[in-house]
Parts: sequence; C-alpha cells; structure tokens
Amino acid sequence: GAGVSQTPSNKVTEKGKYVELRCDPISGHTALYWYRQSLGQGPEFLIYFQGTGAADDSGLPNDRFFAVRPEGSVSTLKIQRTERGDSAVYLCASSLRAGHASGYTFGSGTRLTVV
Amino acid sequence: DQQVKQNSPSLSVQEGRISILNCDYTNSMFDYFLWYKKYPAEGPTFLISISSIKDKNEDGRFTVFLNKSAKHLSLHIVPSQPGDSAVYFCAAPTSGTYKYIFGTGTRLKVLA
Repeated sequence: GAGVSQTPSNKVTEKGKYVELRCDPISGHTALYWYRQSLGQGPEFLIYFQGTGAADDSGLPNDRFFAVRPEGSVSTLKIQRTERGDSAVYLCASSLRAGHASGYTFGSGTRLTVV
Repeated sequence: DQQVKQNSPSLSVQEGRISILNCDYTNSMFDYFLWYKKYPAEGPTFLISISSIKDKNEDGRFTVFLNKSAKHLSLHIVPSQPGDSAVYFCAAPTSGTYKYIFGTGTRLKVLA
C-alpha cells in the first residue's frame, strides 16, 4: 500500500484481556519496527524485525508482550493479561532497510486504552 | 545507553520568524540523527536527517545543525508558517543502525 496501515485505530479493553494489534508495512520494506508512545513521551522502541525474524526484541517490557511477522510482511503485536499501564499509542514503522537515512515511515498508530 | 533530551516542551513563534528547536544526546554514534514532525492523531513523519560526519544539512526552510563536541542538535525553520505547528521529535541512534531513541518532543505553535 501507499503507507503503513495499523488496525484498529482505537482499542478499548478490560484489564486482564488479550489484545492483538496489526501492522501492514509498505510493500517491499524489509525492516519493521514497533514503538510505544505514552502520554507526554516520545516513541519508545519495542521490537525490530528484519524479514520474518525478530532481530531485536530488547524493548519489549515483559513476557506479556509478543510480536510476530510470519511471512515477512504483516506483523501482529500481542499483549496478554493487559494492565492499565499498557495504555498508550502503539506505533508501527517500516523502512526499506535498517539504518536508511530517511528513517522510518510510521503508521498512525493504535491507541490502546485498558480500563 | 543513549539518552535524548528536548528540554523545551513548547515553543511559540510568530509567522515569518525563525523557529529553533533544540536537542541534546549523550552517546556519540557514527550514524544519522533524525527529526520527525507529528500532527495530532497521526504517526510521526520524517522531516530531515543529518549524518554524524556533517555539521549542517539544509532542506528548503529546514536546516539541522549538529555540534558533536557539545552533543547537541538544533532544527531551524525559517520562515515559520502556521502549518508548521506540530510536535517535533529528535531521534538519536543507539546500538545498531536500526534503533533510535526519541526525545520527549517540543510542541511548536506558529502564530498567524
């Protein structure tokens, strides 16, 4: 597609529930990133995929968070047993290759609210 | 670990004047530093970058300066326009070439 698409745009869930957030990167972009932006903060790195594999998942806050990219295109961020502190905007970005000078192309994000 | 600080949470500038947004980082890296712009309800949009081997990069109304000895970046917008009103994030590279640390952003308001 023309840009990075994230669905849903908004998600409200109850504490303790499981959620999945989807990211469709720009066609042909091999690198995909998940970031999380809490209120008043800048985007915070969660995980980076190069192709199908998670090259760096060091930003995932704990084992409730998991992400996959089985065919090297669409990625899903999965959060188990959600907590109120997980409320944030989850941003997905893609780039032609890692380290490209023009940086990432971000999606509009999924605003997750845990009540 | 790399840390990025944008110490001015907000800035107001009159239309036509210069806007200067500042950013400090802690770790020198041989890579690109980035500036992003973000409008409400949209994802950040890449604005301009600068290589760590340069001290200036200009693109139209936007110029980024890099002072490596001071570990300081600044973004100059001249002349400022009302459409420039947005939150601006600087981002510095950390381990690897793919991972960026973002500042907390500066909200720029350009007054007509």
